[in-house]
Formats: sequence, structure tokens, C-alpha cells
Amino acid sequence: QLQLQESGPGLVKPSETLSLTCTVSGGSISSSGYYWGWVRQPPGKGLEWIGSIDNSRSTYYKPSLKSRVTISADTSKNQFSLRLYSVTAADTAVYFCARDFGNHRIDCWGQGTLVTVSS
Amino acid sequence: DIQLTQSPSSLSASVGDRVTFTCRASQSISRSLNWYQQKPGKAPNLLIFGASSLQSGVPSRFSGSGSGTDFTLTITSLQPDDFATYYCQLSHAFGPGTKVEI
Repeated sequence: QLQLQESGPGLVKPSETLSLTCTVSGGSISSSGYYWGWVRQPPGKGLEWIGSIDNSRSTYYKPSLKSRVTISADTSKNQFSLRLYSVTAADTAVYFCARDFGNHRIDCWGQGTLVTVSS
Repeated sequence: DIQLTQSPSSLSASVGDRVTFTCRASQSISRSLNWYQQKPGKAPNLLIFGASSLQSGVPSRFSGSGSGTDFTLTITSLQPDDFATYYCQLSHAFGPGTKVEI
């Protein structure tokens, strides 16, 4: 059974970089036909797709976040990561890692991790 | 950039009710519209993809339809487990959600 688990700091200072890692078990991020990505949800608000990476390491980002985001993958560890630069309080959210089986159809999610941006 | 709106933003319903939500796109889109259910403190769960295809394991009381700019999600007989927030999604855009309350 595929499982995804986010890990990383729960508190980040303004202007710094948010870094999260998603560890995948029960499946391989090298499998073709899937995209591995990140979605966030500010407290009490809706969902926002951030971006994804495929098995050829091509990346896809939400246009409004593209200048501040990097998603990368480490196939040896079966992990993929998110880096969000120059964060502000508006980046405070629960961050979910997820598997997308094409056309942004997300069929498997991590449990989510709250990241707070505060000094 | 395509924008998605959902209506209503919330609704009150009872167990056994038939409920329908609407998702409207700012311009005509393909049928690659997805619907998710999210309960408080949990990750979303994919219900419908491609506007009308039921995701594996999702009860048949959920159905989706629509094309162009207007899409609907219908629950034919609301169950206690269905009280949640429902989001539509197209590409990198999510709608603002419809909250179903008792």
C-alpha cells in the first residue's frame, strides 16, 4: 500500500527557506506515469497546488509560485523534496505531499505537516 | 489563468438528502475536472476524475457531470460520513470549496 510521509521543520523565519521532504513507501517514485507533488492549505482556507516532479525529473510549478519554488527528487532514498524561498507569513499552511496519476488527479496524500512562518 | 468558483459555499442538509454542488470555470475547459472530499484535519480524498469517472473505492452515491464551464457533483443519498468540504480542481487550480453541514 502506497504511503507518503512529510517531514521537516514546523517553524520557519520570515525571508528564510522552507524545506520539506516526502518519503514514499509501498511504491517507487521512479515509476512512469506518476507525478509527485505538493499541495498546501493555509489554516481555515482552501487548497493550493504548488508543483510536481515526474520520473524523468521534469518539474511543473504553479505560475504564481514558480520564482520561489524548487521540487527535487532523490530516487536512491525514494524521496522528493520541496524548497520554498523567501517565505512570509502568507506561506503558513499545512503542506501535503501527494501522488498525481496524470491530469492533476491526486489519488494518494501524505497526512500533512503544519509549517508556520514566524520570527 | 482559469479560475474556478463553487456554489453554494456551504449548505445544510440531512441524512438521506440528494445534494448537488456546482463548479464553474472562468472559460470553457476540457473534462479534466476532479472532485475531492476533505474532512477536518485530514488530507483530501479523490472522488471523481475527468468530470464523471468514479475513483476506485468511492461509493456509487457520488457522481459527477458537466462540460464546458459548468460541472456538478451529486450525492444521491447523503450519509453521515459525507459531511465534509468538497473541492473541484482543474490543473493547478482548486475551487474555494463547498462545506456540507448537518
